Amino acid sequence: EVQLVESGGDLVQPGGSLRVSCAASGFTFSSYSMNWVRQAAGEGLEWLSYISSSSTSIYYADSVKGRFTISRDNAKNSLYLQMNSLRDEDTAVYYCARDGGGMAARRPYWYFDLWGRGTLVSVSS
Amino acid sequence: QSALTQPPSASGSPGQSVTISCTGTSSDVGTYNYVSWYQQHPGKAPKLMIYEVSKRPSGVPDRFSGSKSGNTASLTVSGLQADDEADYYCSSYAGSNNPVVFGGGTKLTVL
Repeated sequence: EVQLVESGGDLVQPGGSLRVSCAASGFTFSSYSMNWVRQAAGEGLEWLSYISSSSTSIYYADSVKGRFTISRDNAKNSLYLQMNSLRDEDTAVYYCARDGGGMAARRPYWYFDLWGRGTLVSVSS
Repeated sequence: QSALTQPPSASGSPGQSVTISCTGTSSDVGTYNYVSWYQQHPGKAPKLMIYEVSKRPSGVPDRFSGSKSGNTASLTVSGLQADDEADYYCSSYAGSNNPVVFGGGTKLTVL
């Protein structure tokens, strides 16, 4: 089955760090670009970051630039988001999402054709 | 405040059609044909319904259609069904500095 499964969400104090993960299965993960998107409770979606299949191209939203780092391990079919200097407003469900450009896409296509179920990150003292 | 503006709610009776708007600027919707739409049922992950303004992924019914005029994109759902009741979000490419922007979402109610 083609799927993405996020994990690693937790309760963290403001200023703390956390790494969330996304495990891919059912497709050739190493050939697809990936993204992280989050959603605060009762709020809309917010795109956070993009990484190309070979990690050579990375983009961040202004809201997380300098604090969050996206990475991937193609040998482990896994995507990561390292989150530092966490703030209350980072509290959200974090989704990994596959870029819609298909296998071996040479550029981002900026739409997301496969999503995980999300992992909850809570930032609170 | 979301970068793209959507009406907070929309509604229609079964069998009717409803159109949801998504208004951006000349820096996003107005310039790029990278508008997509997502459906999200409560407690579930979003699902891609439309990409590149008007293209439908495999498996999405042709009752769902997308269009764009100027800085405003639209999602039309025809032949409304009970299961269409969900939140709908638009997104657009907005340039390399902050590539993806979303709308605030529209709650579609099937009366």
